[in-house]
Amino acid sequence: KQEVTQIPAALSVPEGENLVLNCSFTDSAIYNLQWFRQDPGKGLTSLLLIQSSQREQTSGRLNASLDKSSGRSTLYIAASQPGDSATYLCAGNNNAGNMLTFGGGTRLMVKP
Amino acid sequence: GAGVSQSPSNKVTEKGKDVELRCDPISGHTALYWYRQSLGQGLEFLIYFQGNSAPDKSGLPSDRFSAERTGGSVSTLTIQRTQQEDSAVYLCASRSTGGNYEQYFGPGTRLTVT
Repeated sequence: KQEVTQIPAALSVPEGENLVLNCSFTDSAIYNLQWFRQDPGKGLTSLLLIQSSQREQTSGRLNASLDKSSGRSTLYIAASQPGDSATYLCAGNNNAGNMLTFGGGTRLMVKP
Repeated sequence: GAGVSQSPSNKVTEKGKDVELRCDPISGHTALYWYRQSLGQGLEFLIYFQGNSAPDKSGLPSDRFSAERTGGSVSTLTIQRTQQEDSAVYLCASRSTGGNYEQYFGPGTRLTVT
């Protein structure tokens, strides 16, 4: 059974700092690894999806990497802004289309 | 285009009552998922529908929970005889067939059982 862990649970950084959020998973036979953003009281917004054949994906100031052999994914946020404050969740599945297993999330606060 | 929609956005019910939560997936999406997000348990899978195949119900926590998907589109999650531990945000997601299998989430229904 896939288990997903995110460390740290909470992170506070000053505006402008580059930061890395970590996600680890127990089963290297991962098919998709998705990163989501969740604002308080809202649903999930998909940020990046990395398929098992890929090593990384980039969107704007965000870069996500996937290392199946070590069971790790990272989300890199460049030049953080107060608007980046939210909870970031990673999730993976072991087969195409299967349900996602979520980590506990990292609550990020970017201070002006 | 329109995303995944869910209704109601908030539901308060008394313990022991039945509730129905609705999900409208993105048009044309063949797969639909229900998840639950609670303070103590994080985000958990409940049930998965794919086309005309039998649903994967492996995440349903008890037989008080059931779900239907009519006409391959709208889905209803029903919780019978609600308990206080059912209080959570219920999230629905859908995805298309093929492609990168990315799941798109709705805004959720916040259920409070008093």
